[in-house]
Amino acid sequence: GDSVTQMEGPVTLSEEAFLTINCTYTATGYPSLFWYVQYPGEGLQLLLKATKADDKGSNKGFEATYRKETTSFHLEKGSVQVSDSAVYFCALSDQAGGGADGLTFGKGTHLIIQP
Amino acid sequence: DAGVIQSPRHEVTEMGQEVTLRCKPISGHDYLFWYRQTMMRGLELLIYFNNNVPIDDSGMPEDRFSAKMPNASFSTLKIQPSEPRDSAVYFCASRTNWDRERYFGAGTRLSVL
Repeated sequence: GDSVTQMEGPVTLSEEAFLTINCTYTATGYPSLFWYVQYPGEGLQLLLKATKADDKGSNKGFEATYRKETTSFHLEKGSVQVSDSAVYFCALSDQAGGGADGLTFGKGTHLIIQP
Repeated sequence: DAGVIQSPRHEVTEMGQEVTLRCKPISGHDYLFWYRQTMMRGLELLIYFNNNVPIDDSGMPEDRFSAKMPNASFSTLKIQPSEPRDSAVYFCASRTNWDRERYFGAGTRLSVL
């Protein structure tokens, strides 16, 4: 079945550091890929997505590129801020839009940014 | 739009009691999902509905759990009787038929003592 593997956390960085959170996946079809973010005390919010190979999703300074050859969707940001402290979830969906649910989440990576 | 609305935000109850969690999806959304989040197991899909009909409840852990969606704007997740191991954050989410992105509520933090 489908699966998503994320790097274990917590990841602790200083403000303005470069961020990479690794995500790899296995899927039978041609999935869409997502990064969700969960701020303390809140639900998950979509951060960015990519629907086909070589697409780059970007939002709020975060980027991730859909790499089919390495089955990866690593999240990057050039300069993190304290406000980026949150839990980040990588996810994939291998169902066509309008079909049954097929969203598989990784276990989440807790990011802590220190001033 | 106000987003997905869940109530209560926090619930503390004693073992054996009935617990009912509530969710109001975004108006016009066709799918509704119930998730459970714990440190040990991460985010788990419990059940989801399409047009108010339960489609897949294979994630519901036991018969103590039940979910209903009597209309397009309301769903409940009930646990009866509750046990300490049910303590978790329960999220509701919804989406449209044509967009895979789902919108999450703020969650209900359940503590069963």
